[in-house]
Amino acid sequence: GNSVTQMEGPVTLSEEAFLTINCTYTATGYPSLFWYVQYPGEGLQLLLKATKADDKGSNKGFEATYRKETTSFHLEKGSVQVSDSAVYFCALTGGGNKLTFGTGTQLKVEL
Amino acid sequence: DSGVTQTPKHLITATGQRVTLRCSPRSGDLSVYWYQQSLDQGLQFLIQYYNGEERAKGNILERFSAQQFPDLHSELNLSSLELGDSALYFCASSVEPLVKSDTQYFGPGTRLTVL
Repeated sequence: GNSVTQMEGPVTLSEEAFLTINCTYTATGYPSLFWYVQYPGEGLQLLLKATKADDKGSNKGFEATYRKETTSFHLEKGSVQVSDSAVYFCALTGGGNKLTFGTGTQLKVEL
Repeated sequence: DSGVTQTPKHLITATGQRVTLRCSPRSGDLSVYWYQQSLDQGLQFLIQYYNGEERAKGNILERFSAQQFPDLHSELNLSSLELGDSALYFCASSVEPLVKSDTQYFGPGTRLTVL
């Protein structure tokens, strides 16, 4: 079946540091890939998505590229802010509409 | 604000009881999904409805049931509640689930605590 593996957290960074959160997946066919973010006490918000190989999703300074050869969709941001502190979930849809999520990676950004 | 609403925000109840969670999708969305978020299981897909009909089922217990009404709102019914059912329950909606790029938008969730 489909699965998503994310790097374990928490990830603690200083403000303006570079962020990478690794995500790899297993799926049949050609899934769509997503990053969702969950701020404390809130629901899930779509951060970005990519629907085919080599697509780059981007939003609010975050980027992720759909790499079929390495089955990866790593999340990056050049300069994080304290307000980026949240839990980030990598997810995919494939062979149906349900989202399969990774375990989530908590990001803490300090001044 | 995603446009998906869920009520109530919090629910505290006792073991053995039955509760109903409600979800209103974004305007124009025909598909509704239910997910459970717990510390031990993470985010798990429960069930999907499309225009009133069940479309897909995930790891949903037999004690749980759902439906989507003609006005497209959905309810998730949880019965014979156990301590392990304590979790955050999310509803999501989307426009056209048959399209590969279709995106699900999530509500704020209902936090269920079973004592």
